[in-house]
Amino acid sequence: EPEVTQTPSHQVTQMGQEVILRCVPISNHLYFYWYRQILGQKVEFLVSFYNNEISEKSEIFDDQFSVERPDGSNFTLKIRSTKLEDSAMYFCASKDRRSGNSPLHFGNGTRLTVT
Amino acid sequence: AQSVTQLDSQVPVFEEAPVELRCNYSSSVSVYLFWYVQYPNQGLQLLLKYLSGSTLVKGINGFEAEFNKSQTSFHLRKPSVHISDTAEYFCAVLNRDDKIIFGKGTRLHILP
Repeated sequence: EPEVTQTPSHQVTQMGQEVILRCVPISNHLYFYWYRQILGQKVEFLVSFYNNEISEKSEIFDDQFSVERPDGSNFTLKIRSTKLEDSAMYFCASKDRRSGNSPLHFGNGTRLTVT
Repeated sequence: AQSVTQLDSQVPVFEEAPVELRCNYSSSVSVYLFWYVQYPNQGLQLLLKYLSGSTLVKGINGFEAEFNKSQTSFHLRKPSVHISDTAEYFCAVLNRDDKIIFGKGTRLHILP
């Protein structure tokens, strides 16, 4: 069964550094998402992306965050200047159509640790 | 706005005993409800979903959930748990903006 893949599985970075989290969604999917889960807290929506533009973003997704689909297969999340509170598990997800009948398929996540 | 409440942050259960993980939702519109599972060091995996039709939904690994509109609940059940069911379980609702809203999760501990 096709999977959403995320790399790396674990990223450690120093505060203030830029990080790029990478995702390869399922190939025929059109809608892409980033969620994050701070340790011990709920999974939170960050951003949705369709047709090469952001569809919606949460209040968490400030100017430090950006997303890109550079080559038709990868979907990246960039954090320009990381803060300690950005430490979390970041999940990429995709689905093939907007309808609620179509469930989100999640990757295994990238654990980001900011020191 | 749609929201999901999982009242139990942790549920300990003996192996082979039944379990129920509670989920209540609030929504003023038609709901699509989901249960996701997160095994240790893994991503989120869809267990089951309710979109319409029969209120009893069967999912993978022997889990099922019942949609109860009058009680605005979507509790997850399994008649006999196994040690491999140790995981965190997330109830979720699809909101009007086509965004999944997750509950805080319930950690299921299986006791030998």
